[in-house]
Amino acid sequence: GENVEQHPSTLSVQEGDSAVIKCTYSDSASNYFPWYKQELGKRPQLIIDIRSNVGEKKDQRIAVTLNKTAKHFSLHITETQPEDSAVYFCAASNSGYSTLTFGKGTMLLVSP
Amino acid sequence: DADVTQTPRNRITKTGKRIMLECSQTKGHDRMYWYRQDPGLGLRLIYYSFDVKDINKGEISDGYSVSRQAQAKFSLSLESAIPNQTALYFCATRQGGYNEQFFGPGTRLTVL
Repeated sequence: GENVEQHPSTLSVQEGDSAVIKCTYSDSASNYFPWYKQELGKRPQLIIDIRSNVGEKKDQRIAVTLNKTAKHFSLHITETQPEDSAVYFCAASNSGYSTLTFGKGTMLLVSP
Repeated sequence: DADVTQTPRNRITKTGKRIMLECSQTKGHDRMYWYRQDPGLGLRLIYYSFDVKDINKGEISDGYSVSRQAQAKFSLSLESAIPNQTALYFCATRQGGYNEQFFGPGTRLTVL
C-alpha cells in the first residue's frame, strides 16, 4: 500500500519567515495530494490540494508543489503569522480519491 | 450549517469493556471514514464505508468493528477495549466525486 513520509516533525520560525514542509510518497499511482491543518484541540481542515496533472498551486500565502518523477510534494507558507501555528498533515490518494494515506504530521510554531 | 458530529466527545473506560463511538452528519455525503490519531503517528484509517451496504477495512482495523446504520450514521465499536486503544478518534465524510474530506470534532478515548 501507499506510504507517506513527512519532514520535519517540528518546525520553528519567526513571524514573517517562510516555512517549507516536505512529503514523499511510494505509490506512483497516487494522483491527489491534499494538505490539512489542525489547530490545537481542533479538527483537521483542508487548506490546499493538488492533482498529479499540475506542478504547482498557490492560494494567497500558501503554495504546494509536486514532483511526480521524484514522488515528492511540498507545502510552502510565506510571511508566516502566529495563527499559522498548528500541525500540518500531508496525504496521498489514488483509486478515485477513495482513501487518504496521511503523513505523520509537522508541528509548526511561529514565534512573534 | 451542515456538519459532522461525534458522541461522546470524551470517554474514559476500563480494559475489557465494550464501547461505541458514534458519528452523524448532516452534509448529505455518502462516504464516511473512521480514523485514529496518536501523537507522532498522524491519522490512520480504521474503516470506511461508501454507502449503507458497503464496509471496508482500513490500515488498522484489528480490534475494531463498524456499523453504517443509515447514510448519515457510522458507528465505531471496540468489543473489548485495551489500553493501547487510547487515542483521539475522528470521523470524516466525503461526497463521491469530490475530493475534500470533512472531519468531525473528535472523540478522546482513554482505556484504563
